[in-house]
Amino acid sequence: GENVEQHPSTLSVQEGDSAVIKCTYSDSASNYFPWYKQELGKGPQLIIDIRSNVGEKKDQRIAVTLNKTAKHFSLHITETQPEDSAVYFCAAVSGTYKYIFGTGTRLKVLA
Amino acid sequence: GAGVSQSPSNKVTEKGKDVELRCDPISGHTALYWYRQSLGQGLEFLIYFQGNSAPDKSGLPSDRFSAERTGGSVSTLTIQRTQQEDSAVYLCASSLAGGRTDTQYFGPGTRLTVL
Repeated sequence: GENVEQHPSTLSVQEGDSAVIKCTYSDSASNYFPWYKQELGKGPQLIIDIRSNVGEKKDQRIAVTLNKTAKHFSLHITETQPEDSAVYFCAAVSGTYKYIFGTGTRLKVLA
Repeated sequence: GAGVSQSPSNKVTEKGKDVELRCDPISGHTALYWYRQSLGQGLEFLIYFQGNSAPDKSGLPSDRFSAERTGGSVSTLTIQRTQQEDSAVYLCASSLAGGRTDTQYFGPGTRLTVL
């Protein structure tokens, strides 16, 4: 079945450094790739998304890149801040509605 | 309301009891989803509603799990004869129409603990 692999599972960076989280999906028909941030005790919140007709999208300090040929997509956070500490999930959308989530990356930004 | 709401936020129950978890989607959203998130794990799809119908129940782990949606709005997830392995955070999400590129908006979840 469809699968999304996410790496790394944990990531620690110094404040101000960049963080990169990578995902690989299996279903070549996937064409929508959202990223969610989940803070402790809260539900996941959408932070950025990309559609398959675009290779890169940026929103202030966060950006997402997509390589459809390789079936890879990545989240880039620049100038990390302590409030970026959270669990991040990628997802790939197959079919009409089904989100296939990665297993999450726990990001710790060290002050 | 402004976002997806869920109640209760926390539920502790004894093994063998039934529980009901409630989800209020964003007003006007026709699609509603339930997920389960076990400790330190990703999100496991349970069921999808389009209006009051559930065209995809493939993620429900056993026949002890059921869900309904009434009036195209509120949904209830029911777990009968709870087991310890049912302990998890149950998340509800809604989207405008359930299309391929529809963004899903999540509620804060219900943390279920089965003793």
